[in-house]
Amino acid sequence: LAKTTQPISMDSYEGQEVNITCSHNNIATNDYITWYQQFPSQGPRFIIQGYKTKVTNEVASLFIPADRKSSTLSLPRVSLSDTAVYYCLVGLTGGFKTIFGAGTRLFVKA
Amino acid sequence: DTGVSQDPRHKITKRGQNVTFRCDPISEHNRLYWYRQTLGQGPEFLTYFQNEAQLEKSRLLSDRFSAERPKGSFSTLEIQRTEQGDSAMYLCASSFEGSTNEQYFGPGTRLTVT
Repeated sequence: LAKTTQPISMDSYEGQEVNITCSHNNIATNDYITWYQQFPSQGPRFIIQGYKTKVTNEVASLFIPADRKSSTLSLPRVSLSDTAVYYCLVGLTGGFKTIFGAGTRLFVKA
Repeated sequence: DTGVSQDPRHKITKRGQNVTFRCDPISEHNRLYWYRQTLGQGPEFLTYFQNEAQLEKSRLLSDRFSAERPKGSFSTLEIQRTEQGDSAMYLCASSFEGSTNEQYFGPGTRLTVT
């Protein structure tokens, strides 16, 4: 399973766009890239998933370059409630044996 | 459907005791996962069921741990002879076969072993 590397933490201010980049140099051809969000004392929550290029939903955008060795989660105009841990995962869809790393702790300040 | 539920939410036990946790997945989901999470770390995969079959089991899951999903609906995770190192949040998630890797997580059971 591909290993991922993310920044340990990031700070931002309300209203700013936040970009969190994840490296996954050993991603396999069939692997998808999935991002989850986790608040304290809650289980993770699915945010977005993609295979290549760009994916956008009501919460975030996911940018994946052609070589797929990295991906960037973009959160537009963050608010205080976006303070959470964000996890980048790579693996097969419907994937059992899902591997979470340590994630990126995002702190949004007023 | 209100999502994935777990019971109990908190459990305090003495070292050496057995504990059992329950997970009720979203009803139409046939895949169920168990994870363990310690403070400051991401969830660690423990085991995975498709319907009632346990298809994957992490090496983290020692012989003291056992999980079942007898009718392909709810699941139980039992820890025998608990140790202080078992103290963690135990998370359950479910997903629908054929979906993307979109797992729906429960609120977790926090275990404290004294």
